[in-house]
Amino acid sequence: EVQLVQSGAEVKKPGESLKISCKGSGYSFTSYWIGWVRQMPGKGLEWMGIIYPGDSDTRYSPSFQGQVTISADKSISTAYLQWSSLKASDTAMYYCARQWNLRYLDYWGQGTLVTVSS
Amino acid sequence: QSVLTQPPSVSAAPGQKVTISCSGSSSNIGNNYVSWYQQLPGTAPKLLIYDNNKRPSGIPDRFSGSKSGTSATLGITGLQTGDEADYYCGTWDSSLSAHVVFGGGTKLTVL
Repeated sequence: EVQLVQSGAEVKKPGESLKISCKGSGYSFTSYWIGWVRQMPGKGLEWMGIIYPGDSDTRYSPSFQGQVTISADKSISTAYLQWSSLKASDTAMYYCARQWNLRYLDYWGQGTLVTVSS
Repeated sequence: QSVLTQPPSVSAAPGQKVTISCSGSSSNIGNNYVSWYQQLPGTAPKLLIYDNNKRPSGIPDRFSGSKSGTSATLGITGLQTGDEADYYCGTWDSSLSAHVVFGGGTKLTVL
């Protein structure tokens, strides 16, 4: 069974750094893209970027380029999303999802709620 | 402002049929496959339709998808109260900075 399990909720202060994770199991982690999707409170889905764990090829949405860093450690089947300096506007639910051949997101993690507040 | 345009809300009675539209352009829907996602309240999105009209295993045939030109449509027949959710269309955008784009989402109310 394909599963993506994300790390737990985080509460941070503006300016702090953060790295959240997404662990894949039940499939060949290095053979599928992993994408990250943001959902701000009461809003829709926004695609942030993707990584191919097999060779770490990474692509970002123009809206998120330079704002976050996506990485992966294929030895432990885990993808990451990180911020170097959080802002209050980063408060959102973040989902990872397996992206099939750049076409669709077929399996989703349960989401990680990030709250940034002073 | 989302790249793909969906109606904010639709509603219908149990047992009825509803359609949700998704409008884009030649750089996205017009030249790429469309997928649809269902997000039940408080849960993660779930893939409902991929490659314009294919259903993943376990998705009932009450759900269907179609695409014509730069628009796509999700159809749901035999509406159930459990279908109340937000529905999103998505596709690849082949513009200079290629990336996935979603519609703004449509809230389905089953009256």
